[in-house]
Amino acid sequence: DVKVTQSSRYLVKRTGEKVFLECVQDMDHENMFWYRQDPGLGLRLIYFSYDVKMKEKGDIPEGYSVSREKKERFSLILESASTNQTSMYLCASSLGYQPQHFGDGTRLSIL
Amino acid sequence: RKEVEQDPGPFNVPEGATVAFNCTYSNSASQSFFWYRQDCRKEPKLLMSVYSSGNEDGRFTAQLNRASQYISLLIRDSKLSDSATYLCVVPPKVNTGFQKLVFGTGTRLLVSP
Repeated sequence: DVKVTQSSRYLVKRTGEKVFLECVQDMDHENMFWYRQDPGLGLRLIYFSYDVKMKEKGDIPEGYSVSREKKERFSLILESASTNQTSMYLCASSLGYQPQHFGDGTRLSIL
Repeated sequence: RKEVEQDPGPFNVPEGATVAFNCTYSNSASQSFFWYRQDCRKEPKLLMSVYSSGNEDGRFTAQLNRASQYISLLIRDSKLSDSATYLCVVPPKVNTGFQKLVFGTGTRLLVSP
């Protein structure tokens, strides 16, 4: 079974802090994704990566950056956290055109 | 037209009922579709893939209507454990060459005793 692991289930940070969310997958998938999910808005893609050191902006990249130094790890960075970035963050990975597999999610609160 | 649209529900049905959800999509060139299930405060999990006209897995049947550009999910003999939000997932309008997907906002199903 594919295992996608996110570093924290719950996280509370303050406005202006730099926040790191980590995601690791164990199935050698080349594609990795970061989404946020908010009530009524569904899943929105922030960034994705299709190879080590490669990244592409998704639909809502503003205020975020990513890092993929190793194939198994994809990090999401909130450069200067703001209250409107309070959300559920979901990491996913996939192989080629196969369906995406998700991690458990991180509930991030920015105070 | 939005890339993918779903009726948000909720659909309230009794145990044992048959229920169906529709999902419309705008990219007529789409070849593969997925239904994911998401329980409250949990991550989405793949329920079914739809690559041709349809797919069946036990009580669940997914059908694809390319002419009208919609996919449906039919659940027979509903169980309490089927209560969840069902996400329709389609490829984006622009072919990115790899697996970037567009998720619907989901249809909520509540099965009652």
